[in-house]
Amino acid sequence: DAKTTQPTSMDCAEGRAANLPCNHSTISGNEYVYWYRQIHSQGPQYIIHGLKNNETNEMASLIITEDRKSSTLILPHATLRDTAVYYCIVRVGSSQGAQKLVFGQGTRLTINP
Amino acid sequence: GAVVSQHPSRVICKSGTSVKIECRSLDFQATTMFWYRQFPKQSLMLMATSNEGSKATYEQGVEKDKFLINHASLTLSTLTVTSAHPEDSSFYICSAWDSANYGYTFGSGTRLTVV
Repeated sequence: DAKTTQPTSMDCAEGRAANLPCNHSTISGNEYVYWYRQIHSQGPQYIIHGLKNNETNEMASLIITEDRKSSTLILPHATLRDTAVYYCIVRVGSSQGAQKLVFGQGTRLTINP
Repeated sequence: GAVVSQHPSRVICKSGTSVKIECRSLDFQATTMFWYRQFPKQSLMLMATSNEGSKATYEQGVEKDKFLINHASLTLSTLTVTSAHPEDSSFYICSAWDSANYGYTFGSGTRLTVV
C-alpha cells in the first residue's frame, strides 16, 4: 500500500472548518483513500473514504486532487468532540476482501474553544 | 451499524501470568479480524491477521508463541498474552472486517497493565 504523509499536529477554532491534508504521491490506480480518527483511549472510528471523486457524508467531506496525489479531509463545523488523532490510509479497494489497514502517525487535531 | 465488542476494557495482571482478550462482532459475521497494539503517544501497530478456522498470520517481529490468537467462530477472536511481562503493558485493539458492508469496525480497546 502507498505511504501517506500528514502533518503531526493542527489546531482549529471551535465552529470553524478543520482542513486536514494528506499526501499520497505514490498511490496506485486501484487504491482508495480512507480516513479514520481515534479519540483518546478508544478504538479508531471510520470517517470516510474515496477513490477519485469528492465524497461527503454526515461527518465530513473528502476532497481528492485530480492527480490523486493528495487529499483533504474537511470537518465543516468543528466541535470540541472532534479533538482526536486523524489517520489517512491508502489501500486497495474493499471489493478485494479484507486487507490489513496499516496506520501511520496521523495528525493530532486539537479544537480550541 | 456494525458493532465490535472487546472485553475486558482494562486488566491488570501479575508478571508471568496469561491474559485473554476477547473480540466479538455483535451483528455481523467476521471471517477476518485484526489485532493491533498501541503504546502511549504512538500509532497503532498491526500484530496479526486472524482468519476464522485457520492459523493467524503474524507481522514481522511479533512472537506467535507469546501472542496466541484463536478465531474459532465467525463472531469471536481471542488474543492471549502468555507469560506477560511489564513490557507487554499496552493498549490492545481488535478490528473486524464486515464483508457485507465492505468496512472495518474497531473494538474499544483493552488496556493491559502488567505489574
